[in-house]
Amino acid sequence: DQQVKQNSPSLSVQEGRISILNCDYTNSMFDYFLWYKKYPAEGPTFLISISSIKDKNEDGRFTVFLNKSAKHLSLHIVPSQPGDSAVYFCAASDDSGNTPLVFGKGTRLSVIA
Amino acid sequence: EAQVTQNPRYLITVTGKKLTVTCSQNMNHEYMSWYRQDPGLGLRQIYYSMNVEVTDKGDVPEGYKVSRKEKRNFPLILESPSPNQTSLYFCASSLRGYRGDQPQHFGDGTRLSIL
Repeated sequence: DQQVKQNSPSLSVQEGRISILNCDYTNSMFDYFLWYKKYPAEGPTFLISISSIKDKNEDGRFTVFLNKSAKHLSLHIVPSQPGDSAVYFCAASDDSGNTPLVFGKGTRLSVIA
Repeated sequence: EAQVTQNPRYLITVTGKKLTVTCSQNMNHEYMSWYRQDPGLGLRQIYYSMNVEVTDKGDVPEGYKVSRKEKRNFPLILESPSPNQTSLYFCASSLRGYRGDQPQHFGDGTRLSIL
């Protein structure tokens, strides 16, 4: 049973527009949600996270929104740049910090110049 | 420079020939993990370790072994590799856990091909 779902395998966006990547989860015990970004031939790198006590966290062009009642989070990138083209993984963990992260399958974002 | 180093980066080998992928981190992190990435399946955890001499199975541990004799090293061992273990492997570490305020640092990956 997939606890973290990224239902869009790919997304194409024009440069300068908004990119919205979505993630759904099923486990109500999850307390932290993270986004990782992965370029080809490199390991994933941490991008932004949000705690379940918040509904929004912003870092520059990147904003993550959390809707706990819907068990849904989204990553907004504004404005999108060609260098944002990568695979984005959503991940979740509980508050203990001892339970390994559960990752989604990833969404490949292509930003077209 | 803070980093997670995996070796080798690429390896082509044959079924049944034991191999070890090394992983080393220089950040004094307690937690280390191994993942494999396969098309359409995302990142799946193989094994993890919360501290020296403490290891536990992840989602897909079959066919793999690990050891954690020192804090900085966490090798992945394939005793008798098979073609279904052909994949892209990542090692990761984090300071004390998996919470959002303690993100994992990943190595650059090891691409294994088992013929």
